[in-house]
Amino acid sequence: KAGVTQTPRYLIKTRGQQVTLSCSPISGHRSVSWYQQTPGQGLQFLFEYFSETQRNKGNFPGRFSGRQFSNSRSEMNVSTLELGDSALYLCASSLAGTGNQAFFGQGTRLTVV
Amino acid sequence: KQEVTQIPAALSVPEGENLVLNCSFTDSAIYNLQWFRQDPGKGLTSLLLIQSSQREQTSGRLNASLDKSSGRSTLYIAASQPGDSATYLCAVRRQPGANNLFFGTGTRLTVIP
Repeated sequence: KAGVTQTPRYLIKTRGQQVTLSCSPISGHRSVSWYQQTPGQGLQFLFEYFSETQRNKGNFPGRFSGRQFSNSRSEMNVSTLELGDSALYLCASSLAGTGNQAFFGQGTRLTVV
Repeated sequence: KQEVTQIPAALSVPEGENLVLNCSFTDSAIYNLQWFRQDPGKGLTSLLLIQSSQREQTSGRLNASLDKSSGRSTLYIAASQPGDSATYLCAVRRQPGANNLFFGTGTRLTVIP
């Protein structure tokens, strides 16, 4: 059974640009969550999608957005990139339902220069 | 606001030693708690999920306990091996059906051969 797949693994972008990251969940998982990991702030929740609807949202500016498709694949977009957006972005998928285990992908390392 | 703390931040032990990692959370109204390991630059690997109604969970050399009323969880690793070297993270889920995890700050473990 394939795990959570994130693409691309590495990205280098320039300040002011925008970027789109992709996450394919484990087959059958309908919940996809996104996290940002930085050395200073640790792991912080961005948002969660379930059945194409945003179910929860963390405390990030509106430059961070996401969506989920009917096949449960999800994308997150960051517009007007800032140097502080450099981070490891992690995606997690879970089965529908209550409090199932979250399974994480390998992450996308974004560097903003 | 839920805050999750892990002590110590770093730990070095000789191979073969038993060890305990600690996780504290400020709001005891949690649904479950999950322990992860993270290798440098990689995603998170789920180790154990412990429901709020449970006292402990075991998997191989790992044992996680939960004392919800006091806001504490411990991860016990028996007979440590160099391959156990990684950062260990705990995360709490506040309510069923919500996959926004609140992560601790992590403990970086080094097992010396």
